Amino acid sequence: AQSVAQPEDQVNVAEGNPLTVKCTYSVSGNPYLFWYVQYPNRGLQFLLKYITGDNLVKGSYGFEAEFNKSQTSFHLKKPSALVSDSALYFCAVRDRSDSNYQLIWGAGTKLIIKP
Amino acid sequence: EAQVTQNPRYLITVTGKKLTVTCSQNMNHEYMSWYRQDPGLGLRQIYYSMNVEVTDKGDVPEGYKVSRKEKRNFPLILESPSPNQTSLYFCASSFLGLGVSAGELFFGEGSRLTVL
Repeated sequence: AQSVAQPEDQVNVAEGNPLTVKCTYSVSGNPYLFWYVQYPNRGLQFLLKYITGDNLVKGSYGFEAEFNKSQTSFHLKKPSALVSDSALYFCAVRDRSDSNYQLIWGAGTKLIIKP
Repeated sequence: EAQVTQNPRYLITVTGKKLTVTCSQNMNHEYMSWYRQDPGLGLRQIYYSMNVEVTDKGDVPEGYKVSRKEKRNFPLILESPSPNQTSLYFCASSFLGLGVSAGELFFGEGSRLTVL
């Protein structure tokens, strides 16, 4: 079965330190990979995506993610965390061969940045 | 401003009282979808629509109905709400092709529903 795992329910980071939010996936074909962010009491916002090409993808708000095919991972990273980065982060995957364009979602990781 | 608008944002109702959550987008998107978000379960898709008059079940369609009579609107209908439908609901939309195939969904602000 196709699935997305975000192994950490919560990640705590001190402001200014680098952060990593982990995501691993299992899909039958080649994936499209995405990260979304949800700020408190808001809807989800698209952050970045991997479609093809360079394995390191840069997105909004200084975030980046690295696609690792052998480890089937797509970890979200930022070199220097801000308190305003505190939010809920979702990883999502789509099988390229899925004609219904369905996304498979991880359960989300709460990121807390402490001043 | 490009947006997905949901109403109501908050609703408390009682078991069995029919309700509709409206969703409207102003971006001429073909694809629209409803999700529910529950703690520890992430997002689960309820229904989606690839175009006008075309709707399909998602992962958790039981107890819900949808319609897509116009491109911009995609209402979610709970004919007889039950307490297990207490949740946070999100509507989302995207272009097909580049948009949806790239996964760039635009989400509404959410509708928090409580069924007593």
